[in-house]
Amino acid sequence: SQTIHQWPATLVQPVGSPLSLECTVEGTSNPNLYWYRQAAGRGLQLLFYSVGIGQISSEVPQNLSASRPQDRQFILSSKKLLLSDSGFYLCAWTAYTDTQYFGPGTRLTVL
Amino acid sequence: QQQVKQSPQSLIVQKGGISIINCAYENTAFDYFPWYQQFPGKGPALLIAIRPDVSEKKEGRFTISFNKSAKQFSLHIMDSQPGDSATYFCAAKRSGGSNYKLTFGKGTLLTVNP
Repeated sequence: SQTIHQWPATLVQPVGSPLSLECTVEGTSNPNLYWYRQAAGRGLQLLFYSVGIGQISSEVPQNLSASRPQDRQFILSSKKLLLSDSGFYLCAWTAYTDTQYFGPGTRLTVL
Repeated sequence: QQQVKQSPQSLIVQKGGISIINCAYENTAFDYFPWYQQFPGKGPALLIAIRPDVSEKKEGRFTISFNKSAKQFSLHIMDSQPGDSATYFCAAKRSGGSNYKLTFGKGTLLTVNP
């Protein structure tokens, strides 16, 4: 069966510090991968998606970037965090179906 | 531009009652309409989904009603329970392409009182 992992689960970072969030999927190959951000009490904002290794599409211009160094690994990064980067970051995957499956999320607080 | 409009923003229902959440879309190219359930601090989980060639789909206490001509679909939770208290998101996917992107509604916070 397929499993999606995200780490860390929680993170507290100072403004101006770098960021690296990781997402990995097990049990499938060549998945589409997605990064979403959810502000407190708000909806899901698609940040990036990838249909293959090294292929990244950005949905919203911002302080973040994404990379896909391996087939089942998706990384969200920032060189300098802003207060507005705080939120709940969710990774999701799909593999040749319409259904997206979400990971457990990373709670990021920027102070 | 919001392509999927969800209402209400919040909903309070008594235990045993029926919860109804509505979504409307504008793009007729959408061909897949899932509903997700999210508990606090967790990732959303697929609850039930429907395609436009079906007018209704039922899974246990959860039913999706779909009105293609009105471009609307709704989630009905029968015999609502306190454990159903969560945020519900509707979504829609455009046909064609290989990115399988979903457009989400803004969510409905459901509270079921005991």
